[in-house]
Amino acid sequence: AQSVTQLDSQVPVFEEAPVELRCNYSSSVSVYLFWYVQYPNQGLQLLLKYLSGSTLVKGINGFEAEFNKSQTSFHLRKPSVHISDTAEYFCAVYGADTNAGKSTFGDGTTLTVKP
Amino acid sequence: KAGVTQTPRYLIKTRGQQVTLSCSPISGHRSVSWYQQTPGQGLQFLFEYFSETQRNKGNFPGRFSGRQFSNSRSEMNVSTLELGDSALYLCASSLEAGGFETQYFGPGTRLLVL
Repeated sequence: AQSVTQLDSQVPVFEEAPVELRCNYSSSVSVYLFWYVQYPNQGLQLLLKYLSGSTLVKGINGFEAEFNKSQTSFHLRKPSVHISDTAEYFCAVYGADTNAGKSTFGDGTTLTVKP
Repeated sequence: KAGVTQTPRYLIKTRGQQVTLSCSPISGHRSVSWYQQTPGQGLQFLFEYFSETQRNKGNFPGRFSGRQFSNSRSEMNVSTLELGDSALYLCASSLEAGGFETQYFGPGTRLLVL
């Protein structure tokens, strides 16, 4: 079984400030890790993913995330946010074991960037 | 290349009715997955189809079913609708089975059950 916990349901931040959205996971098998963004009335857009290799992953729109296996975390960061980053962000895990075959999403974090 | 398309985008049904949602994957993608998104339960995996076969299934009742056609287009059906089925239903396509790392999402179908 696998689970994902996004530690903050809402994160308000001022424009140009740094932001960190926290994600912890648990799994009995190796996992792939993902961050998605969802704008209102739209589907999910992939921000970045960790499959293997370097634990620091860079994605689109200036976001990056660090995979920490010992702490089972995959926190999302951006050094300077813009108003347009206001959206809901989802962390997801996918069992690397081909028999797992299922994805699990966190409950989402609503990022609100204020002027 | 066109993205994942879902039809209809919005739907209103009443309890007890059934509904069919459609998903057209990105050209060349052979795997289609379906998800239900609700404020209370978040995003939950429904099922995945690959080469016209259901490959994986989430924890949903038998009222939820799907199928995939030879052109990889997929349909999802919900019978005997309940109020709790009101949700955003998202479809995602990927190149291969279990290809979550290459998955692209459609805009979703918002279903309201009255």
